Amino acid sequence: QQQLQESGPGLVEPSETLSLTCTVSGGSVTSYSHYWAWIRQPPGKGLEWIGSIYYGGSTYSDPSLKSRVIISVDASKNQFSLKLNSVTAADTAVYYCARHPYRSDWGWFDPWGQGTLVTVSS
Amino acid sequence: DIQMTQSPSSLSASVGDRVTLTCRASQSINNFLNWYQQKPGTAPKLLIYAASSLQSGVPSRFSGSGSGTHFTLTVSSLQPEDFATYYCQQSYSTPPTFGQGTRVEIK
Repeated sequence: QQQLQESGPGLVEPSETLSLTCTVSGGSVTSYSHYWAWIRQPPGKGLEWIGSIYYGGSTYSDPSLKSRVIISVDASKNQFSLKLNSVTAADTAVYYCARHPYRSDWGWFDPWGQGTLVTVSS
Repeated sequence: DIQMTQSPSSLSASVGDRVTLTCRASQSINNFLNWYQQKPGTAPKLLIYAASSLQSGVPSRFSGSGSGTHFTLTVSSLQPEDFATYYCQQSYSTPPTFGQGTRVEIK
């Protein structure tokens, strides 16, 4: 059974870059059957898709975040990563990584990592 | 972006009750609709995909229906472990978007 695990700093200063990594076990990030996604949830609020990457070479991100987001894959470590630059307090959230199927639509997110809280504060 | 609106925002129910949650899309999304359950402090869990397909391992008391703009998630007999927040998500267009959630509480 595939498992995902987020890692990275829990505190980031305003205007700096948030960097998170998702380690995949029980499967491969080089799978051509799946996308790999980042989703966040501000405290007490709903879920927001940040972006996805396909090992075949494509990345996608929410238009509202696109200029600040970089998603990449490291096949040698079986990981994928998120960088979000110029962060503000509004970027404080629990960040999840997840897998979704390679389909004509965006499919469903499953499984998910356990999530990691990132607080933006000085 | 396609807006997903869930109703009610919260409800109180008893163990054994049949409950129905609603999700409406701001435009037609065919059957590209998924449902998740989230308990406090944990990641969302996929329950239903493609509007009506039950995810492996999910109890059969959960069912989904709908197409176009109107969708429902039904729990036929609410169990203690079902008290949680439920989210719908459309996968029809970019960006994939979630509803604001329905919180199911114990009466």
